[in-house]
Amino acid sequence: NAGVTQTPKFRILKIGQSMTLQCTQDMNHNYMYWYRQDPGMGLKLIYYSVGAGITDKGEVPNGYNVSRSTTEDFPLRLELAAPSQTSVYFCASRKERGQETEAFFGQGTRLTVV
Amino acid sequence: GQSLEQPSEVTAVEGAIVQINCTYQTSGFYGLSWYQQHDGGAPTFLSYNALDGLEETGRFSSFLSRSDSYGYLLLQELQMKDSASYFCAVDSNYQLIWGAGTKLIIKP
Repeated sequence: NAGVTQTPKFRILKIGQSMTLQCTQDMNHNYMYWYRQDPGMGLKLIYYSVGAGITDKGEVPNGYNVSRSTTEDFPLRLELAAPSQTSVYFCASRKERGQETEAFFGQGTRLTVV
Repeated sequence: GQSLEQPSEVTAVEGAIVQINCTYQTSGFYGLSWYQQHDGGAPTFLSYNALDGLEETGRFSSFLSRSDSYGYLLLQELQMKDSASYFCAVDSNYQLIWGAGTKLIIKP
């Protein structure tokens, strides 16, 4: 059981470049999330999705876009990368609220924008 | 606004007991979760409280008081491998709202 798979693990971007962070889960979870985590800080929500075709903004959506065409996949697109987007990005999924609330995380993507 | 408050750092001795507190203010509440994150790793789930009271899972216990908007994580028989950051997170509507994390430092 793969769980949540996130790629790539590491990436260096130049200012103004674009990239897509891939996230796939095989647990048939409805809810999926993208977070960023700056050094020594907590998780900040970028975007989330409650099912295929449904996405919504979190706390820090500017500079990012998402899509959810299938239950399994939730890619995050960075357009016109800026140094402020240097961070560790985590994708997570969970089945439901309440007792099914455990969130499963991908291994993270360490992104540096130079 | 929505916020969770937890201490930034806690220090304890190997073999001891430590409590990490979390107070929250959110617009919706289904339950309080705790996650552990080692340096360089991803968060992993520890526990979940939907109702008031204590939940025990091995050396870890978690407590919730919904009337006080307060919870804590209790770690017993501390081991060096418990050195990590611990996050409380509120299950609020469709989102998980996260605290800033508590870095647990364990001394031999």
